[in-house]
Formats: sequence, structure tokens, C-alpha cells
Amino acid sequence: DGGITQSPKYLFRKEGQNVTLSCEQNLNHDAMYWYRQDPGQGLRLIYYSQIVNDFQKGDIAEGYSVSREKKESFPLTVTSAQKNPTAFYLCASSQPGQGISEAFFGQGTRLTVV
Amino acid sequence: AQSVTQLDSQVPVFEEAPVELRCNYSSSVSVYLFWYVQYPNQGLQLLLKYLSGSTLVKGINGFEAEFNKSQTSFHLRKPSVHISDTAEYFCAVSLSNFNKFYFGSGTKLNVKP
Repeated sequence: DGGITQSPKYLFRKEGQNVTLSCEQNLNHDAMYWYRQDPGQGLRLIYYSQIVNDFQKGDIAEGYSVSREKKESFPLTVTSAQKNPTAFYLCASSQPGQGISEAFFGQGTRLTVV
Repeated sequence: AQSVTQLDSQVPVFEEAPVELRCNYSSSVSVYLFWYVQYPNQGLQLLLKYLSGSTLVKGINGFEAEFNKSQTSFHLRKPSVHISDTAEYFCAVSLSNFNKFYFGSGTKLNVKP
């Protein structure tokens, strides 16, 4: 079955540590996205990538970094510079250029700083 | 700049009653519109989408939405809700020339027996 796989589902981080969230898709989509979800704030865009080896900052990129070395993979690193990293993180993908397609989402990773 | 406003953060409703979840957007260009549903600790699932054509769009689980260009609205409706519809619902827009998505803050639908 085609879809988006995020891992791990739950992640605990000590203050000052970097952590990397995995996102893999087998939908052959060009575009991939990372969103952060906090209660009552909806989804806020962290980074997005329209094509391999290229990515752009979203609305809340500070304290995060990404890479897009392969079409199917878009890992997100939460660095120690992110002051309030506890949140639910969602990865998504879409296929621009073939009409407008919806975004497909993974099941999310809940990150907690301990 | 584009923005999406979901006017109600929470909507309580009794089972088998009708419900409307409101969504307004602002954009100076043509947009595409989406409604997603999210169950606790899960990702988002597409309910329905408006790309063009008929302004009344039917989706999964008996939901439908109507695009109103003059009022820049895309309200979601269901004539009779079930307990299983309890979830959070998100409205989203995408620019017609760029596949980037903007989401509202969400509406929690609480269906009571």
C-alpha cells in the first residue's frame, strides 16, 4: 500500500539534544512538507521541499533543519536551538503539476522534551 | 497573504442532529479548498476537496461542503452526525498556481449521545 511512514510514533528528548524525525513516502510525490501541531493552533509549516536537493523555510523554521537527498525521504532535525519543541509533528506529501492534489499525511510523531 | 479562519474552536452536538462547521479564507488569487479530519494521535485524512466546477462538493462519511466565492467561505455540513464523527476538523486552502497548503486552527466536533 502506498503511503507516508513517520517514525518513531513517540519520541522523548532531553533538553540540549538534537533529534531527527523520519519521514518516508512511497507515493512517488515530488513535494514533501513538515508541519508542527500545537493545541488550538492548527498546523504550522516548518519546511517544505518541491524537489530533491531543494527545500524552503516555512513559517516557523527557526530551530529546525531538513534534508532532501532522496525523493522518498524528508527527515526533520529538531535542534537544541528550538526553545519549545514539545509538539505533534506531521509529515505530508503531494504531487504538484498534475492538477492540484491534496496533501497526504503520515500518522505523526509526538515529541516530548523531558 | 493567505489565511484560513475556522470560526468555532469547539462544536458540541447531539447524535443524529445536523452540523455545520464554518470556514472562511482570504486570498487575492484563485484557491483550491479542502476539509480534513483528524482522530486523536493520528494524521489527517481528506474528507473532500473543491478544485473547480460544482460548488457543492460531496465527500466521505456523508459530509458535504459548499464553496461560496462571494463570501469566501467553504462550510462543512452533515445532515445527521454519529458518535464516530467526534474528531477535529481542519479547513485548508492551496493557491491555484502553487501546491502549498494553509490550514485553519481546527474545530473539535463533539457528538454526544
